[in-house]
Amino acid sequence: AQSVTQPDIHITVSEGASLELRCNYSYGATPYLFWYVQSPGQGLQLLLKYFSGDTLVQGIKGFEAEFKRSQSSFNLRKPSVHWSDAAEYFCAVARSGSARQLTFGSGTQLTVLP
Amino acid sequence: EPEVTQTPSHQVTQMGQEVILRCVPISNHLYFYWYRQILGQKVEFLVSFYNNEISEKSEIFDDQFSVERPDGSNFTLKIRSTKLEDSAMYFCASMGGSNQPQHFGDGTRLSIL
Repeated sequence: AQSVTQPDIHITVSEGASLELRCNYSYGATPYLFWYVQSPGQGLQLLLKYFSGDTLVQGIKGFEAEFKRSQSSFNLRKPSVHWSDAAEYFCAVARSGSARQLTFGSGTQLTVLP
Repeated sequence: EPEVTQTPSHQVTQMGQEVILRCVPISNHLYFYWYRQILGQKVEFLVSFYNNEISEKSEIFDDQFSVERPDGSNFTLKIRSTKLEDSAMYFCASMGGSNQPQHFGDGTRLSIL
């Protein structure tokens, strides 16, 4: 069965600083990988996805993520964080196939200091 | 941009009562899902639905749970006899095709008293 680990429960950065959120997955083949963001009281918004091809993927709001097969990682990055980026971030993995249930990590809460 | 809509946003129910959570997936999407998130825990998969039948379900999705697509636009989750441990945020998601991502609604917070 697939699993996802987000080792950082809470990260605090200053506005304008760079950001990297870590995600490691366990899966027997190349999975489909996703990052979602959840603001308080809101649903899960898709930031970006990796299915195949270029291992560096660009998403919305200036986020990017890099798939590294050798490290089973899919870390999320942003060069300059804005106060509005404060939220909870979830990494998720799915196996290929039509039904494709998502398995989520436990999330990383991001706090942005002014 | 089209979105997944869930109603109600908050549902309070007495233990043992039946509850129906409603979702309107994105129009022309073909795959439908329910997930739940107990406070402070991970988002967990409950069930997926395609071509008018359940395609996968988790261990959580026992006989107390059922899903239905009663018409061309709604997708519902029914819990027959609610328990205290059913208190959670329930998310509906839909997906257009097998090479597309899932899009989530804002969730229904279910509180069992």
